[in-house]
Amino acid sequence: DAKTTQPPSMDCAEGRAANLPCNHSTISGNEYVYWYRQIHSQGPQYIIHGLKNNETNEMASLIITEDRKSSTLILPHATLRDTAVYYCIVRVASAGGTSYGKLTFGQGTILTVHP
Amino acid sequence: SAVISQKPSRDICQRGTSLTIQCQVDSQVTMMFWYRQQPGQSLTLIATANQGSEATYESGFVIDKFPISRPNLTFSTLTVSNMSPEDSSIYLCSVEGHWIYGYTFGSGTRLTVV
Repeated sequence: DAKTTQPPSMDCAEGRAANLPCNHSTISGNEYVYWYRQIHSQGPQYIIHGLKNNETNEMASLIITEDRKSSTLILPHATLRDTAVYYCIVRVASAGGTSYGKLTFGQGTILTVHP
Repeated sequence: SAVISQKPSRDICQRGTSLTIQCQVDSQVTMMFWYRQQPGQSLTLIATANQGSEATYESGFVIDKFPISRPNLTFSTLTVSNMSPEDSSIYLCSVEGHWIYGYTFGSGTRLTVV
């Protein structure tokens, strides 16, 4: 699986958008970009994933560059409860879209949302 | 997405003893994964457990230290054997859900070895 690079920490004001970048310059054509977050003392939580198109769900938006070498997770209106470690992971999925195998975690970005 | 029950949530153990962590899933899953998270660090995969076969261990982890059982498609255990203070970590199990929902993680077992 391709490696990812994320800033170690970021700050965001409550109510503002949080934009978390991730570089994955060695990503392969069949690798998806996944985002997870880990709130203190809890297990990681799935946020969103995508292949090459931008994606949006009730939690966040994922913007993937055209060359797929980087992506940005957007939390549109950050709250104090969004303070967590955010992990960007790239990994292979099968042709049918079903992922398989292990997730490899990097160091992630510590996002601190302040009042 | 799957719901995972992981037990115990925390424990304090004496060095030299062993602790078995249980992971129960509310649906049948092919693969279950065990991770370790040392203090202030990211998650590191220990092993992948498939039902009916021996677990596959990652580099740096051995079966004698971290024996794993996978008796059926909804249950797995991880044992931390002959513990030392360096084993103090959070241990998490995980399963692969439908690709829309991604992977689901248990709430973790916070282990302290004294």
